[in-house]
Amino acid sequence: AQSVAQPEDQVNVAEGNPLTVKCTYSVSGNPYLFWYVQYPNRGLQFLLKYITGDNLVKGSYGFEAEFNKSQTSFHLKKPSALVSDSALYFCAVRAPMDTGRRALTFGSGTRLQVQP
Amino acid sequence: GAVVSQHPSRVICKSGTSVKIECRSLDFQATTMFWYRQFPKQSLMLMATSNEGSKATYEQGVEKDKFLINHASLTLSTLTVTSAHPEDSSFYICSARDPRTEPVYGYTFGSGTRLTVV
Repeated sequence: AQSVAQPEDQVNVAEGNPLTVKCTYSVSGNPYLFWYVQYPNRGLQFLLKYITGDNLVKGSYGFEAEFNKSQTSFHLKKPSALVSDSALYFCAVRAPMDTGRRALTFGSGTRLQVQP
Repeated sequence: GAVVSQHPSRVICKSGTSVKIECRSLDFQATTMFWYRQFPKQSLMLMATSNEGSKATYEQGVEKDKFLINHASLTLSTLTVTSAHPEDSSFYICSARDPRTEPVYGYTFGSGTRLTVV
């Protein structure tokens, strides 16, 4: 079974500072990894995705994530945080295509709070 | 890009009644849709996978007779919460797969439905 862990319930960072939101995963085979952001009472917005290729993936709104196979991690990063980045962030994994399981499995979410 | 419309955004119903939530793919055909449930300050839990023209596949522990899922067309999936109780109060989110954009953008999510059962 696949699983995702986000060890931090909340991350606090000052505006302009770099931010990291941690994610580790467990899945058989090569994973499909995602980051989504959720604003209050809204659905999820796609940030970025890793399937294969470069370990550093660049996404929306200046976010990027680094895939580390040996550590089974996919941490979300941004060089300079904005107050408007404050939201709930979810890491998700999908099993490889040949498993037939297409649904995403989500981590518990990390609330990012960026202080002015 | 792919857009998924989910309605209603909020609904309040009395205990014992049924509520229907709609999820529409506006500009693509979604052969597969997913229904998630999110409790306050918690993650999204997959309830079921909805396949057009066939029965939904429910996750373990989800009552298929209580949460009825219908995917009668390529652009519409519905979730009906039957005989709702206060413990069914939650945030329900649908997601759809657009084969054209999935390789780049992954799945598309609806804006969610806040269900309150009183």
